[in-house]
Amino acid sequence: NAGVTQTPKFRILKIGQSMTLQCTQDMNHNYMYWYRQDPGMGLKLIYYSVGAGITDKGEVPNGYNVSRSTTEDFPLRLELAAPSQTSVYFCASSHPNSNQPQHFGDGTRLSIL
Amino acid sequence: AQSVTQLGSHVSVSEGALVLLRCNYSSSVPPYLFWYVQYPNQGLQLLLKYTSAATLVKGINDFEAEFKKSETSFHLTKPSAHMSDAAEYFCAVTLSGNTPLVFGKGTRLSVIA
Repeated sequence: NAGVTQTPKFRILKIGQSMTLQCTQDMNHNYMYWYRQDPGMGLKLIYYSVGAGITDKGEVPNGYNVSRSTTEDFPLRLELAAPSQTSVYFCASSHPNSNQPQHFGDGTRLSIL
Repeated sequence: AQSVTQLGSHVSVSEGALVLLRCNYSSSVPPYLFWYVQYPNQGLQLLLKYTSAATLVKGINDFEAEFKKSETSFHLTKPSAHMSDAAEYFCAVTLSGNTPLVFGKGTRLSVIA
């Protein structure tokens, strides 16, 4: 059972380059999330989606874009990479009820040089 | 808005000793509370959750947590630490109405042989 799959696992970008972090889930979850994790800071919510065609900003959305064309996929786009976006990015999904846990992917480690 | 404070960014215990990781939350309404564990180079995994059914919640690997409304706390405990418990632990809170999770900054647990 795959759960939440993130690609790539590692990536190095140059300043100003763009890239898309892929996330797909096979649990038919309506809710999907993107977080970034920086040392000692916990997880910060970037964007989330409550269903196909619906997205909303989280705590730290600047510099990122998302789309949700299908239930399964929730890609995160970096248009102009900056060193401050060096981080570990996690995608998660869940059922709609708040008491349901989120299921996490293994993360994408991104370095901007 | 809800928030989570985890006291102690790093806790070190001896193998076989009691594990106590502290979490305090702030919320204007009864929250849902979660503990997640993160092993190196992996995503987060659910340990346990509080959803108002019972104040003492049992999770995987003999972890448990007690919801104390008067103290606004949800501390995580385990009677006897094992080397395999070494990881980072995150407390998270959300409210009803499908609001996204808010994570604490995490506590790294080290277990000494």
